Amino acid sequence: SAVISQKPSRDICQRGTSLTIQCQVDSQVTMMFWYRQQPGQSLTLIATANQGSEATYESGFVIDKFPISRPNLTFSTLTVSNMSPEDSSIYLCSVTPGGARGEQYFGPGTRLTVT
Amino acid sequence: QKEVEQNSGPLSVPEGAIASLNCTYSDRGSQSFFWYRQYSGKSPELIMSIYSNGDKEDGRFTAQLNKASQYVSLLIRDSQPSDSATYLCAVNRGGSTLGRLYFGRGTQLTVWP
Repeated sequence: SAVISQKPSRDICQRGTSLTIQCQVDSQVTMMFWYRQQPGQSLTLIATANQGSEATYESGFVIDKFPISRPNLTFSTLTVSNMSPEDSSIYLCSVTPGGARGEQYFGPGTRLTVT
Repeated sequence: QKEVEQNSGPLSVPEGAIASLNCTYSDRGSQSFFWYRQYSGKSPELIMSIYSNGDKEDGRFTAQLNKASQYVSLLIRDSQPSDSATYLCAVNRGGSTLGRLYFGRGTQLTVWP
C-alpha cells in the first residue's frame, strides 16, 4: 500500500476564488488520480495524472477549471478554479503503487465548502 | 447501462449474520475487481481484491467472482456493528483505460446489535 496525505483537510472558500489541494505520497508512484465525491454520491474521476505527461481529464472536467500539476513521482496538486457552490465536495487523490495489480489507495480527502 | 452496478440498498442485518453485497459490470474484458469500505466522513479503504474466477477469503470477508456472469460479490460473515459502512465495488477494465477504476454507487450496510 502507500501512505498518502492531503492538504488542506478542509476549507471554506468564497465563490470566484481558487483553491489548490496538495497530495503527497510516501513512495514513488507512476499513476495518481483525482476524484470528487459529492454528498451521498459515489466517486467521480476528475483526471489521471502521470508524471511526465499532461493530465488526462474525464468527460465533463476541463483543465481550465481543474488544472493539475505532477512535478515528481510523489506529489501532485489539483486546483479548483473560479469556484461556485456546486464545487462544494470532497476531493480525493489516489495512487496505484508499483507492483500493484490495479489497486488504488486513497488519501484522507479535502472537504471543500464554497459559499 | 452503467459500467458498474450495485444493489442499491440500504442493507440492514443483525449482528452475527452474513451480509451479502452484489455487483455487476458491463465490460466483459474487465480484469481486476475490488471492494472498498467507506465509513461516513472518511475516504475509501481497500478491503478485498480479486482477479480470477472463484472465491477469495480474508478473515470474515469472502469475495466471489464469476466472469461469465460478470458478477462480483462480497460476503461478510459474523457481521459486526463496526462493519456498518458504505461498500463500493470497483472494476479495472485494463487495456487503454490503464489504471482507471470504475466505481459503483455503493451499498450502505447497517449491522444492528
